[in-house]
Amino acid sequence: GAVVSQHPSWVICKSGTSVKIECRSLDFQATTMFWYRQFPKQSLMLMATSNEGSKATYEQGVEKDKFLINHASLTLSTLTVTSAHPEDSSFYICSARDSATGGGYTFGSGTRLTVV
Amino acid sequence: GEDVEQSLFLSVREGDSSVINCTYTDSSSTYLYWYKQEPGAGLQLLTYIFSNMDMKQDQRLTVLLNKKDKHLSLRIADTQTGDSAIYFCAEIPTAGGYQKVTFGIGTKLQVIP
Repeated sequence: GAVVSQHPSWVICKSGTSVKIECRSLDFQATTMFWYRQFPKQSLMLMATSNEGSKATYEQGVEKDKFLINHASLTLSTLTVTSAHPEDSSFYICSARDSATGGGYTFGSGTRLTVV
Repeated sequence: GEDVEQSLFLSVREGDSSVINCTYTDSSSTYLYWYKQEPGAGLQLLTYIFSNMDMKQDQRLTVLLNKKDKHLSLRIADTQTGDSAIYFCAEIPTAGGYQKVTFGIGTKLQVIP
């Protein structure tokens, strides 16, 4: 089945630094990928939709300059948390769907970001 | 907009059946998914059903859909300790080109040995 690889699994960074998270579709092409954020004991909140070759679509309340998304190829989307602060600490998850075969959305294993 | 609701917690004994419930609001045709999330991990797709179906069975999992009441349930037969996790119900409407996934808050299933 469709596999989405997310890297890194966890990262600790200092306040003010930037962190890049990668999301790859391993065995299918994804023109669209999605980035979610999950706070402890809460559901997933869609942050943005990443579109290959064009600008990402951000949900209301999500700062596009803080969460930079790049979808340069059909198998890779990146989320960069710029000038990270402790309140950015969260669990970030990406997902994609193999539109060629249909089926559900496949999720990456998630990235635990801790900003100290 | 769409809204998906789930109960927060369910506790069952090992070997019993678990039933996790979900209600949704979108009235158009839609896909309904069940995902499992273990601690610190991403979401694992368990199964999904289209809104023109009533039931889908896959091994120990049975999904029932009541379209009139917009009620979805996931039944896990012979629940095992490895089934302990958070289960998310999700809805994806088929109308329109932008398929936004709406998740429920998640039901934490605790399996007691």
